[in-house]
Amino acid sequence: GEDVEQSLFLSVREGDSSVINCTYTDSSSTYLYWYKQEPGAGLQLLTYIFSNMDMKQDQRLTVLLNKKDKHLSLRIADTQTGDSAIYFCAESIDSGNTPLVFGKGTRLSVIA
Amino acid sequence: DAGVIQSPRHEVTEMGQEVTLRCKPISGHNSLFWYRQTMMRGLELLIYFNNNVPIDDSGMPEDRFSAKMPNASFSTLKIQPSEPRDSAVYFCASSLGEGGNEQFFGPGTRLTVL
Repeated sequence: GEDVEQSLFLSVREGDSSVINCTYTDSSSTYLYWYKQEPGAGLQLLTYIFSNMDMKQDQRLTVLLNKKDKHLSLRIADTQTGDSAIYFCAESIDSGNTPLVFGKGTRLSVIA
Repeated sequence: DAGVIQSPRHEVTEMGQEVTLRCKPISGHNSLFWYRQTMMRGLELLIYFNNNVPIDDSGMPEDRFSAKMPNASFSTLKIQPSEPRDSAVYFCASSLGEGGNEQFFGPGTRLTVL
């Protein structure tokens, strides 16, 4: 079955880079997503990558995909205190009209 | 665009009562999803609709749960009767459907069943 794994916690100093890792099991995953959830809020889509890509960059965010190892990472450059949140990795076997399978989320704490 | 709208934002009820959660997807979106978030199980799909038709309800935990989408701009998730273990945050999300790659989430409804 589908499974998405993430480490639960990450702590970094302000200004450093953060790297959040995710592994998934479903080789038919077509799209892989990163969502951000701040306390008491909904999920905000940060970025996504199609499975035929190995990298995507969007301002401070860099997504790396190793399809062979089924490993996805999100790098946040120059991490700020406002980046403190829970980050969810998710996969889907098709585009946005099929359900997402989420990891448990990584809680990022940014220390000033 | 107002984004996905959910109501109520918070609901506190007593065990045995009926609970109805509401969702208005983004205008023009053809797919709608209901997810539940708990500390123990994380985010799980309950049910989703394409073009107002339920496609997969295998995530609905029990017959106490039901969902409807009478038209393209409204969906409900009903729990009857509610139990304390139903306490969770319930999210609605919508997407364009075919050809759309992004799911947009509402702010969620925090349900507490006493």
